[in-house]
Amino acid sequence: RKEVEQDPGPFNVPEGATVAFNCTYSNSASQSFFWYRQDCRKEPKLLMSVYSSGNEDGRFTAQLNRASQYISLLIRDSKLSDSATYLCVVKGRDDKIIFGKGTRLHILP
Amino acid sequence: DAGITQSPRHKVTETGTPVTLRCHQTENHRYMYWYRQDPGHGLRLIHYSYGVKDTDKGEVSDGYSVSRSKTEDFLLTLESATSSQTSVYFCAISDRVEYGYTFGSGTRLTVV
Repeated sequence: RKEVEQDPGPFNVPEGATVAFNCTYSNSASQSFFWYRQDCRKEPKLLMSVYSSGNEDGRFTAQLNRASQYISLLIRDSKLSDSATYLCVVKGRDDKIIFGKGTRLHILP
Repeated sequence: DAGITQSPRHKVTETGTPVTLRCHQTENHRYMYWYRQDPGHGLRLIHYSYGVKDTDKGEVSDGYSVSRSKTEDFLLTLESATSSQTSVYFCAISDRVEYGYTFGSGTRLTVV
C-alpha cells in the first residue's frame, strides 16, 4: 500500500456542484494531516489542516477517519476558481512528511 | 504570505555543469526544505535543514548537496547536472511541522 494515495482524477464538476475526494494513508501512527492546493505551474499553498473532529472553512470541509485511515475534502458550491490540483499531506510521528500526488479538479462553467 | 523567495526562477544549464539554487526567507523559520516535482512523482524531498549547519538527506538526495550557513538562506547544489535533474524545484519553510509548510514560487531547471 502506498504511503499516501489519491485518485489522480480529473474530476470534472459543473459550477455550483458539490465535490468530494478522499486520500488514504498507510501509517496508522500519522499525526497531522493537511490539504494543499496547487494551481498550474504554481507552488502548493496550504488550504487547510485537518483536525480529528473535522473542520470547516467557508465552502470547504475536511474530515479525518482514523479507523479507515483516510482524510476527505468536500467543496460546496464550487467556483471556477476552485479548479486546481489538491494535494493530501500526512505527517508521521517521526516528522516525516508525505505528499500525495494530487487530485486534479476541473470546474466546468 | 510568508517571505520566501527562490532564485533563479528559470535556468537552463548544460550537462556536467554545477548549479546552485538559492532559497531565502525573512520569517526566521527553523525548518527549510528542498523538493523536486515531476509529473507522475509528485513532490519528493531532496534535503532538509532544521537549523544553521544542520541538514539531512531526503528520499532523492543523490547528486545534490545543500548548505545552510545562515538561518535565512538554504542553498541547493547540483554537483554535476544531469538531464534526469530537469525538474521544478521548490523550497519550503516551516516554523513547526504541525503548522504546515510555506512554499517558494519554484525554480524551473532544464538540463540540456
